[in-house]
Amino acid sequence: QKEVEQNSGPLSVPEGAIASLNCTYSDRVSQSFFWYRQYSGKSPELIMSIYSNGDKEDGRFTAQLNKASQYVSLLIRDSQPSDSATYLCAVNKGFQKLVFGTGTRLLVSP
Amino acid sequence: DGGITQSPKYLFRKEGQNVTLSCEQNLNHDAMYWYRQDPGQGLRLIYYSQIVNDFQKGDIAEGYSVSREKKESFPLTVTSAQKNPTAFYLCASSSKTDSNEKLFFGSGTQLSVL
Repeated sequence: QKEVEQNSGPLSVPEGAIASLNCTYSDRVSQSFFWYRQYSGKSPELIMSIYSNGDKEDGRFTAQLNKASQYVSLLIRDSQPSDSATYLCAVNKGFQKLVFGTGTRLLVSP
Repeated sequence: DGGITQSPKYLFRKEGQNVTLSCEQNLNHDAMYWYRQDPGQGLRLIYYSQIVNDFQKGDIAEGYSVSREKKESFPLTVTSAQKNPTAFYLCASSSKTDSNEKLFFGSGTQLSVL
């Protein structure tokens, strides 16, 4: 079992729709969780971090964390073609080490 | 502007050659990291350093070496022992030493084998 699992996609949504990206993790002691967006050939950029159970909203983005079920998700409302990218879920293992999932590719069609 | 600078952007390695990737940051961050990214495999940790003159192996350290002589610099050497070095290499840094760190990435170096 991988430490952090994501569906590789691609996830295709029409412009204006809600995109839902999911991630599961195996280590129950993980305390902090991150979503990075990566455009092709570019470096990842942090878009959301979440540390407590529940929802955290930032603009069109909402991160959801459920530690009991060991999953974290990212919702993107009013999806735009510029949101088309690979979204990486990352989980902190402690000792300053992040473990990344393989990423979900999102395609938003006009 | 504060940030992380990686160079070169593209690098080619010949058989049996060692090559060094540069990473410099002016964010005054204590921790620095090297990740490797292959298509479909996400990011994998090669080495990381929490303080100057100290570094730890990550999950795929074999065939790589690092040094941390200055807080600002964390160069990665890809040695001839690394038989499959073609990948996108990312350097990152973070400012906190607790668990809630956030990584800031450089722009990456694409390494290819001639």
